[in-house]
Amino acid sequence: EPEVTQTPSHQVTQMGQEVILRCVPISNHLYFYWYRQILGQKVEFLVSFYNNEISEKSEIFDDQFSVERPDGSNFTLKIRSTKLEDSAMYFCASSEAPGVYNEQFFGPGTRLTVL
Amino acid sequence: ELKVEQNPLFLSMQEGKNYTIYCNYSTTSDRLYWYRQDPGKSLESLFVLLSNGAVKQEGRLMASLDTKARLSTLHITAAVHDLSATYFCAVEGGSNYKLTFGKGTLLTVNP
Repeated sequence: EPEVTQTPSHQVTQMGQEVILRCVPISNHLYFYWYRQILGQKVEFLVSFYNNEISEKSEIFDDQFSVERPDGSNFTLKIRSTKLEDSAMYFCASSEAPGVYNEQFFGPGTRLTVL
Repeated sequence: ELKVEQNPLFLSMQEGKNYTIYCNYSTTSDRLYWYRQDPGKSLESLFVLLSNGAVKQEGRLMASLDTKARLSTLHITAAVHDLSATYFCAVEGGSNYKLTFGKGTLLTVNP
């Protein structure tokens, strides 16, 4: 069964460093998302991506964040200069074309720890 | 802005008992999801409810959706310890189908 994959599963970084979180969505999916979950809190939407551009972003998704689909299979989230408060679990999700039944499928997540 | 409220946030129950988790949302939506999350793990999709009056059952869990009341329920029948987890409802909204999650219900089933 197709699934969304994410790497790495756990990333530890120093404050101020850049990190790139990687996701491989399900191959025929066209909508891509990043969500984050701070420990013990709810899951929050960060950004959606469709047709090679950001279609919507939340207030959390400030200039420190960027997304890219560099090669037609990977979908990446970059944090330019990490802060302590960026420590969270980051989930990638993907879904099929809009306008039809399009459940979002979530990856296993990347736990980011900023020291 | 779409708001999603779950209650209770914490639920401790004994094995064999029944209980219901409630999920209210603030604006019209046609899709509501229930997820299960074990500690440190990803989100496991339990149910996708697509229309008013939808009811789905899987094992000891049954979910329903009332779009007019903007309310979904997750009913647990004869709870067992293996059901201990955090349960989230999420409502799909907007042109980009993003999900807005509730705060989650931490369910603990005691023997």
